[in-house]
Amino acid sequence: NAGVMQNPRHLVRRRGQEARLRCSPVKGHSHVYWYRQLPEEGLKFMVYLQKENIIDESGMPKERFSAEFPKEGPSILRIQQVVRGDSAAYFCASSPRASSGGQETQYFGPGTRLLVL
Amino acid sequence: AQSVTQLDSQVPVFEEAPVELRCNYSSSVSVYLFWYVQYPNQGLQLLLKYLSGSTLVKGINGFEAEFNKSQTSFHLRKPSVHISDTAEYFCAVNRKGSQGNLIFGKGTKLSVKP
Repeated sequence: NAGVMQNPRHLVRRRGQEARLRCSPVKGHSHVYWYRQLPEEGLKFMVYLQKENIIDESGMPKERFSAEFPKEGPSILRIQQVVRGDSAAYFCASSPRASSGGQETQYFGPGTRLLVL
Repeated sequence: AQSVTQLDSQVPVFEEAPVELRCNYSSSVSVYLFWYVQYPNQGLQLLLKYLSGSTLVKGINGFEAEFNKSQTSFHLRKPSVHISDTAEYFCAVNRKGSQGNLIFGKGTKLSVKP
């Protein structure tokens, strides 16, 4: 593992609550990606951010989900008013530079397992 | 649009046996290809990637993969597996020129038995 930190590792929420997932990229990496893994599924891209900018959010649900990557501090994936279908593993990845057209290796964190009761 | 199919959801093998994990992709444009491994309760780790050049790519832990453009495949192989190779393996593609959002297959769980 190249050092991406995610917390919490496990998060339990009741329906209607908010979930905040944090991702600290590898030191020196300024590009962050969020993916979601539903049970028995592969990872699905959600959003790609650089410091203070959302570059591609084509995989984000239109409502209740938001992401940020401030100048200082970790990237945050926020899910408002969670529903049972949000239960999944959420992975963060980082890279040191822009994707170079898709070649760049992404370094993944251990994920946050969200369970909505 | 691109898609990735991993034909086997689970592959049980005995220690020291060879293994092949299959991956096929669909894309109307050129892609880069990746294999990641996920050990229990850990994040994904890059095994190898194909960008260009030789179609046989060697990765970490003794794994290799061969890119076959005509068959749109990128199968992962290891000639002799160890217990420690037990993990889930994901094939992924990235469209050339894209921003970098990887498209993953559903994964193959490799179980190595003594």
